[in-house]
Amino acid sequence: DTAVSQTPKYLVTQMGNDKSIKCEQNLGHDTMYWYKQDSKKFLKIMFSYNNKELIINETVPNRFSPKSPDKAHLNLHINSLELGDSAVYFCASSQDGSGRGRTTQYFGPGTRLTVL
Amino acid sequence: LAKTTQPISMDSYEGQEVNITCSHNNIATNDYITWYQQFPSQGPRFIIQGYKTKVTNEVASLFIPADRKSSTLSLPRVSLSDTAVYYCLVIKYGGSQGNLIFGKGTKLSVKP
Repeated sequence: DTAVSQTPKYLVTQMGNDKSIKCEQNLGHDTMYWYKQDSKKFLKIMFSYNNKELIINETVPNRFSPKSPDKAHLNLHINSLELGDSAVYFCASSQDGSGRGRTTQYFGPGTRLTVL
Repeated sequence: LAKTTQPISMDSYEGQEVNITCSHNNIATNDYITWYQQFPSQGPRFIIQGYKTKVTNEVASLFIPADRKSSTLSLPRVSLSDTAVYYCLVIKYGGSQGNLIFGKGTKLSVKP
């Protein structure tokens, strides 16, 4: 069974479109995260949620909005996509309630977003 | 906020021991040092975490000197499959502060 899954794996879209990336974890963890890894491989935290509560909210454009319908899911909605949004987006989960990676984070396989 | 500095890349040969050092000069009392490994086209994977002295598991060892301003990840007898990016993080325990900064990591290339 896949512990942390993301869909889709690849996403190609035009500038200005709105898209969503879904993430699900079956580990029973309390905290979920979204990371962005750009073309230079710099991996940066975007958001973290603990029990559906936003914990980390880094300086990202407000076009990015995380939504957590329940503890096992954290989806990422992106409005008005721009060229600079092209990157690989990773979802992760961890057991700790801090939302700050104090226990092992388990990462999903990533979603490669390409904005044309 | 404890910032980390690691070499951008390292080369090694199969069978060698590899040591990757990470500097974290302004590490705080509540901070732990954590290392992750990322293979191409995959998400990062936890390797090891420590607070001081030495920690060892089945994958690696982590050496942390008394002043804790640096740490060294040691990979014994690397193989081609150890080719990956290795990230050093400083994780803050306690309180409501602390951010997660992976940075660019160290790209380890293992050659035959």
